[in-house]
Amino acid sequence: GAVVSQHPSRVICKSGTSVKIECRSLDFQATTMFWYRQFPKQSLMLMATSNEGSKATYEQGVEKDKFLINHASLTLSTLTVTSAHPEDSSFYICSARDLGPSYNEQFFGPGTRLTVL
Amino acid sequence: KQEVTQIPAALSVPEGENLVLNCSFTDSAIYNLQWFRQDPGKGLTSLLLIQSSQREQTSGRLNASLDKSSGRSTLYIAASQPGDSATYLCAADSWGKFQFGAGTQVVVTP
Repeated sequence: GAVVSQHPSRVICKSGTSVKIECRSLDFQATTMFWYRQFPKQSLMLMATSNEGSKATYEQGVEKDKFLINHASLTLSTLTVTSAHPEDSSFYICSARDLGPSYNEQFFGPGTRLTVL
Repeated sequence: KQEVTQIPAALSVPEGENLVLNCSFTDSAIYNLQWFRQDPGKGLTSLLLIQSSQREQTSGRLNASLDKSSGRSTLYIAASQPGDSATYLCAADSWGKFQFGAGTQVVVTP
């Protein structure tokens, strides 16, 4: 199946710093990528839809100036958590839709654990 | 807005028993429904994808059914093994977005 990678897998940062998380589709092209966050013992919540070459679409309640998304190519989307605070500590997961035969299936990355001190 | 519910929230069974995990969704206008497995602290592993036009999908010991009219999907895992212990999530693809259920935490005891 299609592979999606995320980098880094784990990051610890000080409050007030910015953190960038990369999501890459390794063996397919994706016009659309999705960013989710997951708090402990909870399910995944969609944060935003990232479209290649255009602005991301954010879900209600997600601050677009706080969570900057860039989808510069068909294989890379980045999420930058700006001025991170402890409440931003979470598990961030991206997914990508395959343009090919598996178009309607989403493939998920392994996730990034963010801890803000 | 699509809402997805999973029952039960947790399930513990002895090895060898069959598992039945339930997923319900409020909006039947789904594109597909997907089942995932998540191990503690890890990402998602896709198990089965059921297209809206399909009634079920099978892979090995796993079988998932879909009834759009009643807004339900069921994941069956035959002859459970301790390695099946994980959290199982279902997600409904509606209007290009995935809505996840809260998951069912499964423990299979040896």
